Parts: sequence; structure tokens; C-alpha cells
Amino acid sequence: AQSVTQLGSHVSVSEGALVLLRCNYSSSVPPYLFWYVQYPNQGLQLLLKYTSAATLVKGINGFEAEFKKSETSFHLTKPSAHMSDAAEYFCAVSDVGTASKLTFGTGTRLQVTL
Amino acid sequence: GAVVSQHPSWVICKSGTSVKIECRSLDFQATTMFWYRQFPKQSLMLMATSNEGSKATYEQGVEKDKFLINHASLTLSTLTVTSAHPEDSSFYICSAKASGSYEQYFGPGTRLTVT
Repeated sequence: AQSVTQLGSHVSVSEGALVLLRCNYSSSVPPYLFWYVQYPNQGLQLLLKYTSAATLVKGINGFEAEFKKSETSFHLTKPSAHMSDAAEYFCAVSDVGTASKLTFGTGTRLQVTL
Repeated sequence: GAVVSQHPSWVICKSGTSVKIECRSLDFQATTMFWYRQFPKQSLMLMATSNEGSKATYEQGVEKDKFLINHASLTLSTLTVTSAHPEDSSFYICSAKASGSYEQYFGPGTRLTVT
């Protein structure tokens, strides 16, 4: 079965600092990988996705993630944090193809301080 | 494009009653819809997958007689929580995807409180 592990349930950064949210996956074959953001009492918004094309994926709001097969990782980064980035971030994995059952990580709450 | 709505956004009901939550895809035909449950400060747990015109496939541990899912059209799926109890209080989120697509689009969620 596929799974994702998000290291760090809570990450705090200063405004303007680098954001790094970690995600490692477990899958017998390279899967599809996703990062979602959730603001309080709202649904999920897709930040970016990896679907077997370029390993460096750029998403919305200045976020990007790099798929590293050797490390089974898909860490999310942003060079400079903004106060509006404070939210819950979920990494998710699905099988290749359109069957697309998503398995979510436990989430990382990002706090941005002045 | 790819907007998914849910109604209601929040609902309070008394223990023992049933409540229906609607999930609509507004600008695309959703051949598959998913229902998730999220407890406070926790991740999303998939409850069931529904394909239009077919019976839903429930995940292990989800009571199909308690959580009734109907996906009668390409734009609407409903989740009915029957004989609700306080432990059913949660945030329910649906997602939808079109045929041939791997990407799910999420609704804004429905907060259910059972008193």
C-alpha cells in the first residue's frame, strides 16, 4: 500500500525566510504526488503536482517541489515566506493513471512570524 | 474552471436524525466523486469512492448503512449520515474528477455538529 510521511506536524518560519516542508513517500513504483494547502474551515487547494514529467515542479504562490526518486522524497519549498502562507499543508500520493485514490499525509501546519 | 461546491457549509442536527450533504461539480462532468472525513487537526481520511450510476465503494471500516452515498448524475453526489450521533461530528469534504483525469478538485467542506 502507498503511504506518505510528513516530517514535522508544525513548522514555524519568519516572514521572508525559506519554507521547507518535508514529504517522503512509499510506493513500489514512482507514483503521482501532490501538495495541497488548506486554510481554516476550507477545502483543499492544489499547490502543485508531479506526474512523471519534470522532476522540479513549480506551483502556485511561489511554491515548488522536487521529486527525488533515490530519496523517495517530494519536499515543498518556497524561497521567501509570506504571512499569507500560514496554513495546513498536505502531501498526497496516488497510483499512476486515472484510478487516483489519494492517500494523504498527516499534514504540516506552517506558522509564519514577523 | 473546475469548481466543486458543497451544501450546506455547516449543519447542526440532533442525535438520531439524518442529514444530507450535497456535492456538486459546477463546470465539469464528474464521473467519480470522493468523500473524505477530517477530524480536527488531522488529515483527510477517504470514506468512499462513487462513480456515476454505480454503487459507492467504501473504505474499510466505514459503515455503508450509516453513510449513504448517491451519485445519480454527473454533477451531483450526496452523502447522507443516517441516525447521526455526536461521534459523527466532523468536517466532511468531497472531491470530484472527470473521466480520463487524475486530478481531484475539492469542495469547501461541510462541518457537521451532532448534539
